[in-house]
Amino acid sequence: ETGVTQTPRHLVMGMTNKKSLKCEQHLGHNAMYWYKQSAKKPLELMFVYNFKEQTENNSVPSRFSPECPNSSHLFLHLHTLQPEDSALYLCASSQADRTYGYTFGSGTRLTVV
Amino acid sequence: GQSLEQPSEVTAVEGAIVQINCTYQTSGFYGLSWYQQHDGGAPTFLSYNGLDGLEETGRFSSFLSRSDSYGYLLLQELQMKDSASYFCAVSSRAGTALIFGKGTTLSVSS
Repeated sequence: ETGVTQTPRHLVMGMTNKKSLKCEQHLGHNAMYWYKQSAKKPLELMFVYNFKEQTENNSVPSRFSPECPNSSHLFLHLHTLQPEDSALYLCASSQADRTYGYTFGSGTRLTVV
Repeated sequence: GQSLEQPSEVTAVEGAIVQINCTYQTSGFYGLSWYQQHDGGAPTFLSYNGLDGLEETGRFSSFLSRSDSYGYLLLQELQMKDSASYFCAVSSRAGTALIFGKGTTLSVSS
């Protein structure tokens, strides 16, 4: 248990499905992030939220839609995904002024079939 | 663009010392972080260098040279449990998200 909880741990979805990934932290952090981790690639930054406001969208396709209802919860809504979207999706949190020290969740392993 | 380069794989034996290098080219630089990730696990924060020099935390140390755009992670008295992937990451300015390298897979054998 890292302090950041992600659900589900594993997800298999068809290309026409709609699903959501959930991330929750109770560390008192005010910044939250979504990263994508694929084999042989660096962790790719997707979205950043500071104090519930989206501050970065790293050219992510619109089939990925983030939502941050409060500073403790972060969602990633998925629809009409492609097989190349299969990856480990990691959520992280930090203090907004200490972005060097993330706490990561264990990730959701997503397979698109 | 921004890029971080680190070796893809390193192997060592128990009790040895290993150094994982990281060179970076970024549009700005605020600090260098290191993370460890075991197979199937979450990346965990190891160390941070905001200033030049060496930071020591137990068996692990991290070094930064801003003038050379270079840093390294030094692991001493290696143990089997140190087998994992190690990522360097850069923040381009205060309060911005981290950009990660591709990671170095360390294999420790007995």
